[in-house]
Amino acid sequence: AQKVTQAQTEISVVEKEDVTLDCVYETRDTTYYLFWYKQPPSGELVFLIRRNSFDEQNEISGRYSWNFQKSTSSFNFTITASQVVDSAVYFCALSEAIQGYSTLTFGKGTMLLVSP
Amino acid sequence: DTEVTQTPKHLVMGMTNKKSLKCEQHMGHRAMYWYKQKAKKPPELMFVYSYEKLSINESVPSRFSPECPNSSLLNLHLHALQPEDSALYLCASSPGLAGGLGHEQFFGPGTRLTVL
Repeated sequence: AQKVTQAQTEISVVEKEDVTLDCVYETRDTTYYLFWYKQPPSGELVFLIRRNSFDEQNEISGRYSWNFQKSTSSFNFTITASQVVDSAVYFCALSEAIQGYSTLTFGKGTMLLVSP
Repeated sequence: DTEVTQTPKHLVMGMTNKKSLKCEQHMGHRAMYWYKQKAKKPPELMFVYSYEKLSINESVPSRFSPECPNSSLLNLHLHALQPEDSALYLCASSPGLAGGLGHEQFFGPGTRLTVL
């Protein structure tokens, strides 16, 4: 069975601090995809990034960066110079095939609170 | 058009009521999903439709009845719900056959359901 662990339940930072959200996954598949989603208080899940198991390059998008390390089965997410608008719940997810179809296994989420 | 829309935004219903949740996407996606999300928990998959056919039913009670009238629409019919069914119901879509292993899912804003 596949599993995604986000050990940090809640993180509080002050604006402009850098923050890293951890994600550790378990899978027996050699081909898999990892995702990060953001869920602001409004409720909608917003897609942030997808990474496949063969691409270990780190990625940077503005203030966001992701560190994928297969050796430690981790896919961590860093927000640089955090802002109040970054306050949300962040979910890491693993794509798996069930009955020939693809579904997402979500971690429990990390709530990020950024105060001014 | 890159969004998934859901109506209504909020719904309050009694245990004897019959109501429906609606989801629509015009991205040409052929996989559509219903998730249930309780407070402070990750989304839980309920149903997957692929090419308008029900592909996955995650052992959801029969008081929830999904329907996919066409490739753009997904309904969730509710009947005789229990108070513990109160939750945020999220619809998502993705391209391809059940989204393919690596396709991201695009989520709607959700319907916040309260069962009295």
